[in-house]
Amino acid sequence: GAGVSQSPSNKVTEKGKDVELRCDPISGHTALYWYRQSLGQGLEFLIYFQGNSAPDKSGLPSDRFSAERTGGSVSTLTIQRTQQEDSAVYLCASTQAQWGVYGYTFGSGTRLTVV
Amino acid sequence: SQQGEEDPQALSIQEGENATMNCSYKTSINNLQWYRQNSGRGLVHLILIRSNEREKHSGRLRVTLDTSKKSSSLLITASRAADTASYFCATSGSGGSNYKLTFGKGTLLTVNP
Repeated sequence: GAGVSQSPSNKVTEKGKDVELRCDPISGHTALYWYRQSLGQGLEFLIYFQGNSAPDKSGLPSDRFSAERTGGSVSTLTIQRTQQEDSAVYLCASTQAQWGVYGYTFGSGTRLTVV
Repeated sequence: SQQGEEDPQALSIQEGENATMNCSYKTSINNLQWYRQNSGRGLVHLILIRSNEREKHSGRLRVTLDTSKKSSSLLITASRAADTASYFCATSGSGGSNYKLTFGKGTLLTVNP
């Protein structure tokens, strides 16, 4: 597609429920990233995909967080048993090379609110 | 952990004035990038400067990089109300960590008409 697409754009969920966030990167972009941004803060790295593999998952906050990527394209970030501290904007980005030599293209994000 | 630290945290100027934002970082880098974010949603890539470059221009944007001081600055000339946004610097590490960007907390720029 023309840009990185994320869905849903907003999600309100009850504490304890599971949520799935979806990212559709730019076609042909091999590298895909998930970041999290809490209110008024910078971006916190969560996970990096190269193709379908995730060589760096070091930013996932707990084992309640998981992500997968299929067909070298769409990625899903799953948060199980959501907590209020999970409330944030979740941003996905893709880039055409794995070496960080190009800028990222970001999606518009999913604003997650846990009540 | 945060690599880049932007300064100031907030900046308010009049339309037509120049805006300068600074970024400092701690470890060696492959490149440094600047992004703009409107209304807390998606970020837009503005400009990338490699570690062996000292200055780069793009339209009304000018970026400088001083690797000896581990700092960068972003200058926006002849600012417009539409430039109102948060601006983030992000660094791509050297060596094995060059695949990901580490972002600072950003500078909130307000351009008053």
